[in-house]
Amino acid sequence: EDKVVQSPLSLVVHEGDTVTLNCSYEVTNFRSLLWYKQEKKAPTFLFMLTSSGIEKKSGRLSSILDKKELFSILNITATQTGDSAVYLCAVDDPYNNNDMRFGAGTRLTVKP
Amino acid sequence: EAQVTQNPRYLITVTGKKLTVTCSQNMNHEYMSWYRQDPGLGLRQIYYSMNVEVTDKGDVPEGYKVSRKEKRNFPLILESPSPNQTSLYFCASSLSGYSPLHFGNGTRLTVT
Repeated sequence: EDKVVQSPLSLVVHEGDTVTLNCSYEVTNFRSLLWYKQEKKAPTFLFMLTSSGIEKKSGRLSSILDKKELFSILNITATQTGDSAVYLCAVDDPYNNNDMRFGAGTRLTVKP
Repeated sequence: EAQVTQNPRYLITVTGKKLTVTCSQNMNHEYMSWYRQDPGLGLRQIYYSMNVEVTDKGDVPEGYKVSRKEKRNFPLILESPSPNQTSLYFCASSLSGYSPLHFGNGTRLTVT
């Protein structure tokens, strides 16, 4: 069965710290891996990764995929309190009910 | 503004009383999907629709029904709700089944 595992489940840091969130997966047919940020309401899209080794970057956030070792990391540098959220990783397996299989998420808390 | 609109935002009901959660998107998206989110379990897909009149089961379809009579609307129907359906529900849409998802703001359902 397809599986997506995120670690750590929760993380508390102080403003200015750098954090690395992990997502490992086991899927039968991989098409893409996506990262979402969920604050109080709807998850919002951050990155979509399809190729190994190519970093996607947006401001202080960046992400990279390793298709050989089956994982991705999401880095946030110089964290701010506004980065506090649950970060969700999802893997797209086109032959599994067209489902994006989500991990349980990492809850990041950034303290002032 | 491009958005996915769910209603209601909060719903408290009793076991067995039929209810419908509405979902509408204004982005002309082909793909729509329903998820439930429970602590520690992440987002799990209930049903999805690749296009009008085409729906299919996700991972946890038991106890739910959907319909897709128009492209923009994808209601979720609970014919006889039970307490184990107490959850946070999200509707989502995307251009295709493998594009990033746009989520609604969620419906928190409590079944007593």
